[in-house]
Order: sequence, then structure tokens, then C-alpha cells
Amino acid sequence: EVQVVESGGGLIQPGGSLRLSCALSGFTVRSNYMSWVRQAPGKGLEWVSVIFGGGDTYYADSVKGRFTISRDESKNTVYLQMDSLRAEDTAVYYCARDHSDVWGQGTTVTVSS
Amino acid sequence: DIQMTQSPSTLSASVGDRVIITCRASQSISNWLAWYQQKPGKAPKLLIYKASSLEVGVPSRFSGSGSGTEFTLTISALQPDDFATYYCLQYDGFPRTFGQGTKVEVK
Repeated sequence: EVQVVESGGGLIQPGGSLRLSCALSGFTVRSNYMSWVRQAPGKGLEWVSVIFGGGDTYYADSVKGRFTISRDESKNTVYLQMDSLRAEDTAVYYCARDHSDVWGQGTTVTVSS
Repeated sequence: DIQMTQSPSTLSASVGDRVIITCRASQSISNWLAWYQQKPGKAPKLLIYKASSLEVGVPSRFSGSGSGTEFTLTISALQPDDFATYYCLQYDGFPRTFGQGTKVEVK
């Protein structure tokens, strides 16, 4: 079965760091574009970052320089390292295969003191 | 960056109504547009890709059209399960951008 499962969310203080994980099954990280998309409470969807099959990456301006997307082919997992977190980063973070119907259930990140 | 302007933001409709949602891109994206449906607390569900291709398993009352900068999602006869929020997504380039969303609510 093709699916992705996110983990790693939680409550973190402003300025802190968190790493989200996205475990893939049924397809490989090497052969797909994998994205992170977030949704702040009561708001719309915001694209965050992508990692290509070849390893290139792109980021939204709102997270550039603070977030880093990476992957581990041996674990078939994508990561989102989030540093210098701000209150406005509070959201449900979804891992998704780019422009597809493969989305995880989401993991909640809350940045608050 | 490509901006996606979606309208309306809210739409009040009744079961059986024909519903049309529009997305406009700030520059041509050919047909690299997808439509998603999202219900509260759930991940988005893909309805349409490449502007007009129906995802497997999606009811045929959903259809998409358009190319270049103007796109529409049409629900031919609204069903009770269709009350949700709908988003367009351009995937012509990076950063990817979503429309602001259209909430379809009960009239």
C-alpha cells in the first residue's frame, strides 16, 4: 500500500528546534518529489518545501534559512528540520508526494511559551 | 512566484445545485493545476489533476477545465458529502502555491 506517515510534532518554545519525519511505504523517496505542506489553525494550505528525487530542494520564502528538508534513502524517510521556530509556524504539517493524492495524516507543531 | 487567486472564498449552496469555483494564476501555468477537497481534521483529497483529469475513484459530478491562467472546478449536482473546502494548487513551478480556498457550505 502506498502511504506516508508523519511523526515528530509537539509543543516547542519560540526559538526552539524540531525535526519532523515522514516514513514512506509502497514507493521510494529516490524516485519521487516529496513535499511538506502546512496548515495553520483555521487557515488554508501553505506549501513549505520539496525535495526532488535527485536531492535538490526548494523552500517557501517564509521558512527559507530556518527549515531544512532532507532524506534518508536507506530508511525511505523524508525529514523537515525546523530551527528558530516562531509562533507563526504553528500548524499541522503534512508530508505529501508532490501534486498527488498521497498525503499523511499530519503532525501538529505548536510554538508557544 | 506564481500567485493563485481563488474565488469565491465562501459559497452557500443546496443539494443538487451546480457549483463553480474559479482559480486564476498570475502567469500562465499551462494545465499544471490540481484541485483538492478537504474536510475538517482530514488531509486534502485529490480530485482533479492536469486541470481536467479526474482522479481515480472521484465521482464524475466533479470536473475541471481551463488552461493558461483561468481554471474552474465544477460540481454538477452537489451531494451532501461535497460540503467541504476546496483548494487549487499550481505545480508549474516552485514555490508551489495554493489558492486561498473555497468553503462550500449549506445554504
